[in-house]
Amino acid sequence: GDSVTQMEGPVTLSEEAFLTINCTYTATGYPSLFWYVQYPGEGLQLLLKATKADDKGSNKGFEATYRKETTSFHLEKGSVQVSDSAVYFCALWEAGNMLTFGGGTRLMVKP
Amino acid sequence: DTGVSQNPRHKITKRGQNVTFRCDPISEHNRLYWYRQTLGQGPEFLTYFQNEAQLEKSRLLSDRFSAERPKGSFSTLEIQRTEQGDSAMYLCASSLSFRDTSTNEKLFFGSGTQLSVL
Repeated sequence: GDSVTQMEGPVTLSEEAFLTINCTYTATGYPSLFWYVQYPGEGLQLLLKATKADDKGSNKGFEATYRKETTSFHLEKGSVQVSDSAVYFCALWEAGNMLTFGGGTRLMVKP
Repeated sequence: DTGVSQNPRHKITKRGQNVTFRCDPISEHNRLYWYRQTLGQGPEFLTYFQNEAQLEKSRLLSDRFSAERPKGSFSTLEIQRTEQGDSAMYLCASSLSFRDTSTNEKLFFGSGTQLSVL
């Protein structure tokens, strides 16, 4: 079945550092790919998405490119802020009517 | 738009007791999902409704679990004879479903109900 694998956290960075959180997926067809973010005490929020190969999703300075050849959707940000501290989830949506999530990666940004 | 609301936020119960959680989706959303999230893991799909019809259930949803959405608005998730392994965060999400699947895919999540079974 479909699955999503993320790098384990926590990822600890200093403010203004470059961020990469790796995500790879397994799917039988051509899924849509997502990054969701969960801030402390809040529900998951959609951060960005890409629906086909080579699409780039972007939002709030975060970017991720749908790489079909490597089955990856790595999340990047050029300069993180303390307010970016959260748990980030990679997810896919394929033929079924639900999102399949990775295990999540906690990001901690220190001032 | 007040977002997806879940009650209670926290529930502590003794093993063997029954518990019920409620989810109020965004008002115009016709799809409602239940997920379960354990500590350090990603959310796992349990079940979803299209209006009042329960269209899919995960194998994770044992016979002790039942979900309803009687009028296609709010939903309840009941766990009977709770076990310690049921301790988790139970998440509800809703979406507006059209034929365009890209719209189907944007889920709005509530803050969850944290269940602790002692």
